[in-house]
Amino acid sequence: DVKVTQSSRYLVKRTGEKVFLECVQDMDHENMFWYRQDPGLGLRLIYFSYDVKMKEKGDIPEGYSVSREKKERFSLILESASTNQTSMYLCASSPWVGKETQYFGPGTRLLVL
Amino acid sequence: DAKTTQPPSMDCAEGRAANLPCNHSTISGNEYVYWYRQIHSQGPQYIIHGLKNNETNEMASLIITEDRKSSTLILPHATLRDTAVYYCIVGNAGNNRKLIWGLGTSLAVNP
Repeated sequence: DVKVTQSSRYLVKRTGEKVFLECVQDMDHENMFWYRQDPGLGLRLIYFSYDVKMKEKGDIPEGYSVSREKKERFSLILESASTNQTSMYLCASSPWVGKETQYFGPGTRLLVL
Repeated sequence: DAKTTQPPSMDCAEGRAANLPCNHSTISGNEYVYWYRQIHSQGPQYIIHGLKNNETNEMASLIITEDRKSSTLILPHATLRDTAVYYCIVGNAGNNRKLIWGLGTSLAVNP
């Protein structure tokens, strides 16, 4: 089975802090994704990466950056956390092409005070 | 990418079939229909997908109309553990990187 793990299930940070969310997948997938999920808004794509050191902006990249130094690991960085970044963050991975699906991690619930 | 329309909520009795509808009237010829579900406080989980033929796996069946403008996910014998939000998404097989997620259908399976 594909396994996608995220570094924390729950995280509390203060406004202005730099926040790192880590995601690791064990299936040698090329694509990795970061979403945020908010009530009434559904899942929104922040960034995705289709190869090591490659990234593309999703629908809501503002206030975020990402890093993919190794194929299995994709990090989401909040350079200066703000209260409006309080959300559930979901990481996913998928193979490069074809009709294969996205496999999700359990999510990180981030609270910014 | 095409968008989908789903009812916001549905109820089902335990042991009965749950039929979840989805409209995707603007789907294009190379777009697949995917179904995921999300149990409370967990990440979404893949259920099934199809192009134009009906599909069945150990979790569910997917019925796609001949014109491909709508589909139905069928959970043949719903259990309490099937209580979740179910998402119907259409996406291009050659570009699975851009799935557009709606708000889904919140299914409550009642004892």
